[in-house]
Amino acid sequence: RKEVEQDPGPFNVPEGATVAFNCTYSNSASQSFFWYRQDCRKEPKLLMSVYSSGNEDGRFTAQLNRASQYISLLIRDSKLSDSATYLCVPLDYGGSQGNLIFGKGTKLSVKP
Amino acid sequence: NAGVTQTPKFRVLKTGQSMTLLCAQDMNHEYMYWYRQDPGMGLRLIHYSVGEGTTAKGEVPDGYNVSRLKKQNFLLGLESAAPSQTSVYFCASSYMYNEQFFGPGTRLTVL
Repeated sequence: RKEVEQDPGPFNVPEGATVAFNCTYSNSASQSFFWYRQDCRKEPKLLMSVYSSGNEDGRFTAQLNRASQYISLLIRDSKLSDSATYLCVPLDYGGSQGNLIFGKGTKLSVKP
Repeated sequence: NAGVTQTPKFRVLKTGQSMTLLCAQDMNHEYMYWYRQDPGMGLRLIHYSVGEGTTAKGEVPDGYNVSRLKKQNFLLGLESAAPSQTSVYFCASSYMYNEQFFGPGTRLTVL
């Protein structure tokens, strides 16, 4: 099975902190990448797509390093509402199909 | 738009009973998926469909069947439930192979 590896955490940070998550993926043929967040006992929700040139959405910045098969997510000015599990999700293509590969994610806890 | 909805939200079954989980999406997506998530684990793909009338096996298909009679609906069936099928089941949909949008999940307990 194709895999993705993340530090499970938990990352415990104070409000206002900057926190970074890293992720490595095993399939060098992966073409698309996403960050999802999953709150406890809820469905995963798309946070952002990850583009080769890197992209930013408000307080969130994602980077992709294809040579190292490495993806990162930076969260600035952490809010209490950012507490969740963050999932690095590559889209793997095999033959005629493409499927998202989910790992266990990284748990973030933002404290007051 | 409701996005992706799932019915029911919770269910308790006895071993050997059968049930069907319903997923519906109003985004006109061609592709739909069923996943299961066990405590502390990542999502695992059970079955998926790339269009009305088509289905395919995912990573953990044993013990489950699916049907996609209408584009907006994807049904997951358990013919003879087992305790190992206790899990949270998520349905998702996407426009082709791209980011997926998930329903709120069904919590199933098999006693």
